[in-house]
Amino acid sequence: AQKVTQAQTEISVVEKEDVTLDCVYETRDTTYYLFWYKQPPSGELVFLIRRNSFDEQNEISGRYSWNFQKSTSSFNFTITASQVVDSAVYFCALSEPHNAGNMLTFGGGTRLMVKP
Amino acid sequence: DTAVSQTPKYLVTQMGNDKSIKCEQNLGHDTMYWYKQDSKKFLKIMFSYNNKELIINETVPNRFSPKSPDKAHLNLHINSLELGDSAVYFCASSQGDWGDEEQFFGPGTRLTVL
Repeated sequence: AQKVTQAQTEISVVEKEDVTLDCVYETRDTTYYLFWYKQPPSGELVFLIRRNSFDEQNEISGRYSWNFQKSTSSFNFTITASQVVDSAVYFCALSEPHNAGNMLTFGGGTRLMVKP
Repeated sequence: DTAVSQTPKYLVTQMGNDKSIKCEQNLGHDTMYWYKQDSKKFLKIMFSYNNKELIINETVPNRFSPKSPDKAHLNLHINSLELGDSAVYFCASSQGDWGDEEQFFGPGTRLTVL
């Protein structure tokens, strides 16, 4: 069965610091997909990135970057030069095509607080 | 235009009542979902549904039932509400059901059972 672990329940940083959110996953499938979602204080869930298991290239999007390492089953998320608006709960999630229904398994989330 | 919408945004009700939450998506997606987020922010899939089949998470009590009048709607009916049902319920949709696609989430419905 699949599982996603976000060991950091809460992180607090000062604005402009870099911060990395950890995500470790478990799956028996060789094909799977990893996601990050952001949930700001307003409550909606915002898609950030999708990664498939065959693409281990790191990705950068502005201040956001993702490090996918199959060897350690990790898909970590780094925010560079954090801003107050980055304060949110961040979720890592996994889906496996061989499991019917395309259902996402979420990690427990990491609450990021960025202080001015 | 809102992609995935839910009504109501807030729902307060008494134990034992039956209630429904509506979900509509205007993205033309084939697959819709319901997730439950508890007070500790844990997000858990409840149902996945497309025009072929309904997939139910085995941990969901049978008091919960999704109903889809058409491809754009997946409503959630809850019978005999219990205190533990208090949570935020999110509807979502995706184009397919293969697992590789982004799911678009609705704004959530906060259910409070008194």
